[in-house]
Amino acid sequence: DAGVIQSPRHEVTEMGQEVTLRCKPISGHDYLFWYRQTMMRGLELLIYFNNNVPIDDSGMPEDRFSAKMPNASFSTLKIQPSEPRDSAVYFCASSWGTPDTGELFFGEGSRLTVL
Amino acid sequence: KNQVEQSPQSLIILEGKNCTLQCNYTVSPFSNLRWYKQDTGRGPVSLTIMTFSENTKSNGRYTATLDADTKQSSLHITASQLSDSASYICVVSRGSTLGRLYFGRGTQLTVWP
Repeated sequence: DAGVIQSPRHEVTEMGQEVTLRCKPISGHDYLFWYRQTMMRGLELLIYFNNNVPIDDSGMPEDRFSAKMPNASFSTLKIQPSEPRDSAVYFCASSWGTPDTGELFFGEGSRLTVL
Repeated sequence: KNQVEQSPQSLIILEGKNCTLQCNYTVSPFSNLRWYKQDTGRGPVSLTIMTFSENTKSNGRYTATLDADTKQSSLHITASQLSDSASYICVVSRGSTLGRLYFGRGTQLTVWP
């Protein structure tokens, strides 16, 4: 399997613009997670899905952030409008089974810079 | 409060030397503890996962220990190589909250030739 695939790997945009990050989980995995990583706060969970259904979005910082998973092989994280403080690396991860038991596989991340 | 603390924050060692990284946690109830390696510009990759009943687990030159009573874990790297230069992240799973993992800030290890 190719692993978790994220795109774009790098995104530079101006404040106020819409940003869409994409993720293709490992085939057969039933959990999908979006994380954000910054130097100050480390890795933070934003939202996760089970069988395409959002389970916990308490980590989504504001209404400017939204995530969807229209099918088992695709998810998006959208920021609209973007702000400089959104600059971070966004990781998508997937697992088979809950994180209590299943191994978590991360993508290579999308580095977002908002000017 | 559920927290994961790692030490040291950064570490520099010479190639071939051994080192030990520490992880203390207050997450409760405990389900499992994982160590991840994150190379610069890459996503984290799992090294080990340990449940309550396991107190040591090895993966090549990496050996993780767990003391569930004191809520401490360590990652020992033997005969370090330049490729071991990375951030090592301790992650604890809380048993009662599906999907909730608690991440440490990581230890940045640099191996010099």
